[in-house]
Amino acid sequence: QQPVQSPQAVILREGEDAVINCSSSKALYSVHWYRQKHGEAPVFLMILLKGGEQKGHEKISASFNEKKQQSSLYLTASQLSYSGTYFCGTPPFGYKLSFGAGTTVTVRA
Amino acid sequence: ETGVTQTPRHLVMGMTNKKSLKCEQHLGHNAMYWYKQSAKKPLELMFVYSLEERVENNSVPSRFSPECPNSSHLFLHLHTLQPEDSALYLCASSQAQSSYNSPLHFGNGTRLTVT
Repeated sequence: QQPVQSPQAVILREGEDAVINCSSSKALYSVHWYRQKHGEAPVFLMILLKGGEQKGHEKISASFNEKKQQSSLYLTASQLSYSGTYFCGTPPFGYKLSFGAGTTVTVRA
Repeated sequence: ETGVTQTPRHLVMGMTNKKSLKCEQHLGHNAMYWYKQSAKKPLELMFVYSLEERVENNSVPSRFSPECPNSSHLFLHLHTLQPEDSALYLCASSQAQSSYNSPLHFGNGTRLTVT
């Protein structure tokens, strides 16, 4: 079962904040976040392993609510370099890392 | 440098052709993956190899045939493809045998067009 991401797209001005949500209909044991810039490979941002865990990468942070079966990615004081498509991945078990459809973030000057 | 190298970057092939995609990882990982990325669709897992043995095959049509000769190399052999197989094919590797807590490292992909 693939996780559901929202919103599908967001447009920001430099310095603005945004939140990307990732939710699953099944129990989550961990959540991966990746970013893919146009024409490039997806790049790993962070993994959250425990419910309630929060992590940060530059000014990008994430939280994991195990009870609600969801994770949120926070883009704070966005920079032009934050533009790209963000994917969450949820491995319910074993190797089957299922990805959401992605959220396209466009940061404008 | 991503540590995972895919060749070719672009490939155009006819429906009757046979071609192969190549992936090489320089990260010392022991698991390798093939993903398919189509426009406006989630990344689809196709195959997983762990310690050179196939451990996952996500109901992929037989016109796609993977090969993993060693832990650093992965191939995807293609034959009699259909136009709907046109997509970006991504190779990835990871350290551990489970994706639970091991991040994936992706290559830049091969953009495949089937005519």
